[in-house]
Amino acid sequence: DGGITQSPKYLFRKEGQNVTLSCEQNLNHDAMYWYRQDPGQGLRLIYYSQIVNDFQKGDIAEGYSVSREKKESFPLTVTSAQKNPTAFYLCASSPGTGLPLGTEAFFGQGTRLTVV
Amino acid sequence: DAKTTQPPSMDCAEGRAANLPCNHSTISGNEYVYWYRQIHSQGPQYIIHGLKNNETNEMASLIITEDRKSSTLILPHATLRDTAVYYCIARNYSGAGSYQLTFGKGTKLSVIP
Repeated sequence: DGGITQSPKYLFRKEGQNVTLSCEQNLNHDAMYWYRQDPGQGLRLIYYSQIVNDFQKGDIAEGYSVSREKKESFPLTVTSAQKNPTAFYLCASSPGTGLPLGTEAFFGQGTRLTVV
Repeated sequence: DAKTTQPPSMDCAEGRAANLPCNHSTISGNEYVYWYRQIHSQGPQYIIHGLKNNETNEMASLIITEDRKSSTLILPHATLRDTAVYYCIARNYSGAGSYQLTFGKGTKLSVIP
């Protein structure tokens, strides 16, 4: 079945360590996104990518890095520079621009990162 | 993307219609209104979107005012499973801006038995 997969679902990391969250989609979507969600808050955009080998900073990119070497994959690295990394991380993909029909975004089930 | 404003929370009795308002007074002509919902600890789910005309699908109806400055999402017969946070987003449908999908805090809808 087509979809977007995030792994792992729960992740624990020691303070000061980098950690990489996986996001894979087999929907043939051009665009991919990473969001962060804190308790009782909405989604805040970290990075997004319109096409392979290109990505743009969102509203809260500091302390994060991404890569887009393949259309299907958009991994997010939470670096030690991120001061408050404990959060729920959501990855999404969408077909892209042009037509309004079918441009809705599809989300993964999220990764809950806890720094211990 | 245009800023949207939603009430932080609403209650609705089970079986009744849930009407969720959204204000987007600065929306531009090439921005669609999208609605998503997020059930606790899951990824958001697409519900519906529209530009000018009212829209209906198997999940909900979307009513957009003539001046496009506000809209209402209607769940015709709310069930307990509709309890979720509902997000209203205004999004460009073309150009570089169409890739940026910006969410606010949404409305937490509680369906009461």
